[in-house]
Amino acid sequence: ETGVTQSPTHLIKTRGQQVTLRCSSQSGHNTVSWYQQALGQGPQFIFQYYREEENGRGNFPPRFSGLQFPNYSSELNVNALELDDSALYLCASSVYGELFFGEGSRLTVL
Amino acid sequence: QQQVKQSPQSLIVQKGGISIINCAYENTAFDYFPWYQQFPGKGPALLIAIRPDVSEKKEGRFTISFNKSAKQFSLHIMDSQPGDSATYFCAARANRKTSYDKVIFGPGTSLSVIP
Repeated sequence: ETGVTQSPTHLIKTRGQQVTLRCSSQSGHNTVSWYQQALGQGPQFIFQYYREEENGRGNFPPRFSGLQFPNYSSELNVNALELDDSALYLCASSVYGELFFGEGSRLTVL
Repeated sequence: QQQVKQSPQSLIVQKGGISIINCAYENTAFDYFPWYQQFPGKGPALLIAIRPDVSEKKEGRFTISFNKSAKQFSLHIMDSQPGDSATYFCAARANRKTSYDKVIFGPGTSLSVIP
C-alpha cells in the first residue's frame, strides 16, 4: 500500500505567478483534501474532492482551485500568487473520514 | 464557532514525565476529535482520536480525556520519550454527512522531551 505522495517538495515563485501542486492518493482512497499550513500554525482546510467533484471548501478565494482525476490523484492550482500564499501545502487522502497526509509542498512566494 | 483552541504553545518535559496538552472548542456539531503528531519536514499523522460519547481513550502511552459538558479535551503522554518531541495538533470535525471530511486544527503545541 503506497502512501500519499506530493510534488514538488519545494518551489519558489514570484508574486503574480501561478503554481500547480500535485498529489497522488493512498491506494483505495477516493477522497482528497488540501490544506494550507503557514509557519508555526495548524493546517487550514482549503477544499475537498470526492469522485472528481469539489464537495467542500474552506475560507479561501477563487484563485485557489483544484482538480481530481479518475485515478483519484489531484492538483491544487493557485493563481495570482501573493506573498501570504507562502506556506506548506498538504494533501490528504481519506476513506471513512480518517485523513492520511503527504509530506507537503513548501511554496515560497517572493 | 469553528475555532479549536489549544494550550500550551510549547512544552518542555523531562524524559519519563507526563506531557499534557489541552484543547477547547465551541461548535457542538463537532463529533470527532483527532490528535495529530507532526515531525519537522513531515505531514501530520493521526495519533489517536475520540468521539464525544466516550470520556477517555487510551492507546499505549497516549490517553485522550474528553469533557463534553465543558467542551474540552486533552492529550496525556505518559513516560514521555525524546522521540515524542514533535508538534501536536488537536482537531475537530463535524458530522461527515454535513461537513464531509473538513477537519479544524488547533494552532499546535511544540513538545520537547529532554533526557
